[in-house]
Amino acid sequence: EPEVTQTPSHQVTQMGQEVILRCVPISNHLYFYWYRQILGQKVEFLVSFYNNEISEKSEIFDDQFSVERPDGSNFTLKIRSTKLEDSAMYFCASTPDSPNTEAFFGQGTRLTVV
Amino acid sequence: AQSVTQPDIHITVSEGASLELRCNYSYGATPYLFWYVQSPGQGLQLLLKYFSGDTLVQGIKGFEAEFKRSQSSFNLRKPSVHWSDAAEYFCAVRTGGGNKLTFGTGTQLKVEL
Repeated sequence: EPEVTQTPSHQVTQMGQEVILRCVPISNHLYFYWYRQILGQKVEFLVSFYNNEISEKSEIFDDQFSVERPDGSNFTLKIRSTKLEDSAMYFCASTPDSPNTEAFFGQGTRLTVV
Repeated sequence: AQSVTQPDIHITVSEGASLELRCNYSYGATPYLFWYVQSPGQGLQLLLKYFSGDTLVQGIKGFEAEFKRSQSSFNLRKPSVHWSDAAEYFCAVRTGGGNKLTFGTGTQLKVEL
């Protein structure tokens, strides 16, 4: 069964460093998303991406964040200068170009900023 | 603005007992509703979804949910809980044309043997 894959599963970085979280969405999907879940809190939408551009973003997704689809398979989330409060589980998701379908989530990347 | 409320933060049930997890939503249009489950250290797995039609939907692992428009609810049920059902359960509503999900705060389910 096709699945969304994320790497790495866990990343530790120092405050102020740049990190790139990687995702391989399901191959025939057209919408891509990043969500985050701070420990003990709910899952929050960060950004959606369609047709090589951001289609929607939340107020969390400020100038420190960027997304990119550098090739035909990867979808990345970059945090330019990490802060302690960026520590969270980051989930990538994808959906086909169809209204009657659900989002398929990856296993997540746990980011720890120290 | 759309929102999802899961009033129970923690629930403990005995194995074999029935389960109902509550979810209320606030959304102006016809909602697309989902229940996801997250086991410790795992990602989000879809249990079931409601888009339209029959208001009682069946999902995986023996779960079902009922959409009640008059109560703005989408409660998740299981007639007999198994120890492996211990996990965190998230209700979500899809908003916008691009499948963006708004999640509730989750309900942590503990199963006593």
